[in-house]
Amino acid sequence: QKEVEQNSGPLSVPEGAIASLNCTYSDRGSQSFFWYRQYSGKSPELIMSIYSNGDKEDGRFTAQLNKASQYVSLLIRDSQPSDSATYLCAVSRVNQGGKLIFGQGTELSVKP
Amino acid sequence: NAGVTQTPKFQVLKTGQSMTLQCAQDMNHNSMYWYRQDPGMGLRLIYYSASEGTTDKGEVPNGYNVSRLNKREFSLRLESAAPSQTSVYFCASIRDRSQMVEQYFGPGTRLTVT
Repeated sequence: QKEVEQNSGPLSVPEGAIASLNCTYSDRGSQSFFWYRQYSGKSPELIMSIYSNGDKEDGRFTAQLNKASQYVSLLIRDSQPSDSATYLCAVSRVNQGGKLIFGQGTELSVKP
Repeated sequence: NAGVTQTPKFQVLKTGQSMTLQCAQDMNHNSMYWYRQDPGMGLRLIYYSASEGTTDKGEVPNGYNVSRLNKREFSLRLESAAPSQTSVYFCASIRDRSQMVEQYFGPGTRLTVT
């Protein structure tokens, strides 16, 4: 079992819809959770971080964390074609040198 | 403030050649990281440096060496390149290693080994 798992996609949603991206992790000691957006040929860009159970909202983005079920999700409301990218889930543990463990990424395509 | 910079952006090597990938950050961050990204594999940690003067292996260190030259610079060296090292290499940094560890990435180096 991979430490961090994501559906590779592609996930296709129409413009204006809600895109839902999911991530599960195996290490119950994971403390910090991140969503990165990566456009083709570019470097990962941090868009959301979440550290405690519940929801965290930032503009059109909402991150949801459920440590009991070991999953973290990202919702993108009012999806735009510019949201088309690969979304990477990453987790880290305390006292692990700040190392991140990444999932393989989910490719999102928003159709006009 | 340039953030994290990497050189070169692109490189083609022949099998057996050596090269050094350079990374520098101007954010006064303590910890720096080298990742590689292969299609469908996400990013995998090669080496990291928690602070100036220290380095540690990550998930895939074989075939690589690193040097933390000073607080700003962290280089990755391929002593004898192999086709399996064809990948995109990203450098990243964070201010500290406490619970809140938001990493920031450089633009990447695209390496092809023939």
